Amino acid sequence: DIQMTQSPSSLSASVGDRVTITCRASQSISSYLNWYQQKPGNAPDLLIYAASSLQRGVPSRFSGSGSGTDFTLTISSLQPEDFAIYFCQQSYSSPPTFGQGTKLEIK
Amino acid sequence: QLQLQVSGPRLVKPSETLSLTCTVSGGSITSNSYSWGWIRQPPGKGLEWIGNIFYSGTASYNPSLESRITISADASKNQFSLNLNSVTAADTAVYFCARRIAVAVRFDYWGQGTLVTVSS
Repeated sequence: DIQMTQSPSSLSASVGDRVTITCRASQSISSYLNWYQQKPGNAPDLLIYAASSLQRGVPSRFSGSGSGTDFTLTISSLQPEDFAIYFCQQSYSSPPTFGQGTKLEIK
Repeated sequence: QLQLQVSGPRLVKPSETLSLTCTVSGGSITSNSYSWGWIRQPPGKGLEWIGNIFYSGTASYNPSLESRITISADASKNQFSLNLNSVTAADTAVYFCARRIAVAVRFDYWGQGTLVTVSS
């Protein structure tokens, strides 16, 4: 299985900050990388697919980049509703696997 | 708007079978563009893909769970189901059902999830 490692595991930031979360794959996955946001008690929501494509309805302050083994999710200006857990997921090979999550907290 | 709703027992005894059903509304499971699957999340931990099925019955499973899983679909009821047998405490988790875009392997609609506890 392809292992997905996210960093940091947790992050404190303020409203208006620019935030970057990193996801690293244990082997090259081209651009087969998706990002999800999960708020407490809720199911994950798809944010970004194919490394950099914004899912319909997701605000443009979210962006993704990367290819191969290293990927980033950037939130350009944090809003109160962005404080959540973020997961990456590789879709290169089966089984699809997820990172362990990055918890974004209010400073 | 597509909606998915999980139903089934919230408490299962060790060695027994966990059975969950996902009912889809606002859309049909009879599309070859999508498959329908299960993902779980142990308390405080990350996400684990369990498996997926097309309405036609073609299924794919996580090798780590394959020997214990059966996923089935009932197009007439617009539902799909998960059976996980010989459960242990390690199977305690929130179980989500989700729609998977077949070719791209991303999960674009999720049900709310249900916590299933394995305990005697």
